[in-house]
Amino acid sequence: AQKVTQAQTEISVVEKEDVTLDCVYETRDTTYYLFWYKQPPSGELVFLIRRNSFDEQNEISGRYSWNFQKSTSSFNFTITASQVVDSAVYFCALKTKGGSQGNLIFGKGTKLSVKP
Amino acid sequence: DTGVSQNPRHKITKRGQNVTFRCDPISEHNRLYWYRQTLGQGPEFLTYFQNEAQLEKSRLLSDRFSAERPKGSFSTLEIQRTEQGDSAMYLCASSLPGSNTGELFFGEGSRLTVL
Repeated sequence: AQKVTQAQTEISVVEKEDVTLDCVYETRDTTYYLFWYKQPPSGELVFLIRRNSFDEQNEISGRYSWNFQKSTSSFNFTITASQVVDSAVYFCALKTKGGSQGNLIFGKGTKLSVKP
Repeated sequence: DTGVSQNPRHKITKRGQNVTFRCDPISEHNRLYWYRQTLGQGPEFLTYFQNEAQLEKSRLLSDRFSAERPKGSFSTLEIQRTEQGDSAMYLCASSLPGSNTGELFFGEGSRLTVL
């Protein structure tokens, strides 16, 4: 079975703090893709990053960084020096190579509130 | 605006009525997806089209749900005889031709409230 767990339901930080959003996934497939999406209050999910199972290199994009560890089946997302505009619900998602084209398996999301 | 467009953005209906949502994908995207999102949950896959062909349907898509994409451009999602459990946000997404790595472009969703 495929599953994505985001144990943190809500996180509240003060602007400029660093924050890490956790994501743990389950799959028996050896080829899979992991994603993070951001859902601001407007409702539109915005793609942030994709990682395939063969690429464990961590990635940094501006204030965002991602830590992929196959040994712990985790794909954590860190926002450095958070800003109010980062307030949103963040979803981690999984797609297996053997799965359907459209079927991204999403976690329940972590609601991040960044206060000024 | 060249993003994915959905309408209506919000629909309130009485139980038992039929509702239809429309999605206009990004023009060069041949793949179109419908997801459902309930409060406090992540999106759940409903169905997927490649051009006009509906290639996959989730078991969540009961007989009361039907989706079409007649000309391979816009899509409609109809729910017949709505039930209160159908209350949710219905999200549409599209992706580029040949894209099989899950980078989807989502619309802002259509929120359904069934009274």
